[in-house]
Amino acid sequence: QSVLTQPPSASGTPGQRVTISCSGSSSNLGTNTVNWYQQLPGTAPKLLIYNDNKRPSGVPDRFSGSESGTSASLAISGLQSEDEADYYCSAWDDRLNGPVFGGGTKLTVL
Amino acid sequence: QVQLQESGPGLVKPSETLSLTCTVSGGSFTNYYWTWIRQPPGQGLEWIGYIYHSGYTNYKSSLKSRVAISLDTSKNHFSLKLNSVTAADTAVYFCARADSLMGYYFYMDVWGKGTAVTVSS
Repeated sequence: QSVLTQPPSASGTPGQRVTISCSGSSSNLGTNTVNWYQQLPGTAPKLLIYNDNKRPSGVPDRFSGSESGTSASLAISGLQSEDEADYYCSAWDDRLNGPVFGGGTKLTVL
Repeated sequence: QVQLQESGPGLVKPSETLSLTCTVSGGSFTNYYWTWIRQPPGQGLEWIGYIYHSGYTNYKSSLKSRVAISLDTSKNHFSLKLNSVTAADTAVYFCARADSLMGYYFYMDVWGKGTAVTVSS
């Protein structure tokens, strides 16, 4: 059972806007910032969003993050076929004294 | 451009020690947290532990009794040892560089490609 809770799946059609939620608690999302990772099939995870809403260099602005209280969301606008991947949220957990992950959301582009 | 590359045996026998190395190229060890994460087949990501450039280590509590992470800056690598392995330790193991301000943010901005390790006799 993952410390952060994500829906196991999400889907959308090309061009659509999709959001993926991440729910936590006061010891992680309620206190610390959230990060999002994209894992394309058969590859290593890639940092997509860090510190709630910052994009590393090279990440398209179609990807955006937000956070409120003990929940966070990743939004993908203008959905493209190459966005089909697993998405993981992560944050530092003060109680566990380490980073924790969500179980991952498999995004399907229909 | 910092790059990380994992190396080590792909097959380990039950009860033995899993040993992996992550070679770092193109960057410094200073001010980063050098991290190991694993992903069992078909499952999500699990943080194993990290070592800071000073040598300070922090491990996931459920693995603490079996894991050790070390750093050798002269050889540009850091290593993972996990002893008394079982089939439950079968996973793809990733090394990563993390940036952190403890108690506020911790994110892994550079990842290795991962190496698959199977625990089987």
